[in-house]
Amino acid sequence: AQSVTQLDSQVPVFEEAPVELRCNYSSSVSVYLFWYVQYPNQGLQLLLKYLSGSTLVKGINGFEAEFNKSQTSFHLRKPSVHISDTAEYFCAVTLNQAGTALIFGKGTTLSVSS
Amino acid sequence: NAGVTQTPKFQVLKTGQSMTLQCAQDMNHNSMYWYRQDPGMGLRLIYYSASEGTTDKGEVPNGYNVSRLNKREFSLRLESAAPSQTSVYFCASTATARSQETQYFGPGTRLLVL
Repeated sequence: AQSVTQLDSQVPVFEEAPVELRCNYSSSVSVYLFWYVQYPNQGLQLLLKYLSGSTLVKGINGFEAEFNKSQTSFHLRKPSVHISDTAEYFCAVTLNQAGTALIFGKGTTLSVSS
Repeated sequence: NAGVTQTPKFQVLKTGQSMTLQCAQDMNHNSMYWYRQDPGMGLRLIYYSASEGTTDKGEVPNGYNVSRLNKREFSLRLESAAPSQTSVYFCASTATARSQETQYFGPGTRLLVL
């Protein structure tokens, strides 16, 4: 079965600094990978997803992620964060098979301060 | 276009009481999902409905029942609430049951069971 590990539960950064949120997955078959963001008291929304093709995926709000098959990672990056990026970020994985469920990591809380 | 809506937003129950969480989507999506979110646990799938007329168990179905009332609506019922069911419940929908689909989430229902 597939699983997702988000290596940091909390990441504090200063405004305009770069940030990387780390995600590793385990699966014996090919997967689809997602990053979702949850702002306080809201539902989740998609930041970006990797299905196939280019390993560098660009998403909304200036975020990007790189799929690394050999390291089974899908780290999320942003070169310069804003206060408004403060939120919880979830990495998720699903198998490249119809009807398989999305498995979420436990989340990383990004706190951006001035 | 409201997307995914959930009612109620907040609910307090006593142990043993029952309630139904309502979810509706106006995106003409075929598949719908119920998740629970607990601190430090990420989101865990309770039940899903790949299409109208079908429902299947997810990772944590015990203590819950679901009804796919029609294509738009998917309800979650707690027959006899327990304190362990204190959580935030999210409904989501996807256009199809293909695993690469983006999930669209509602704003959540915050449930406290005393």
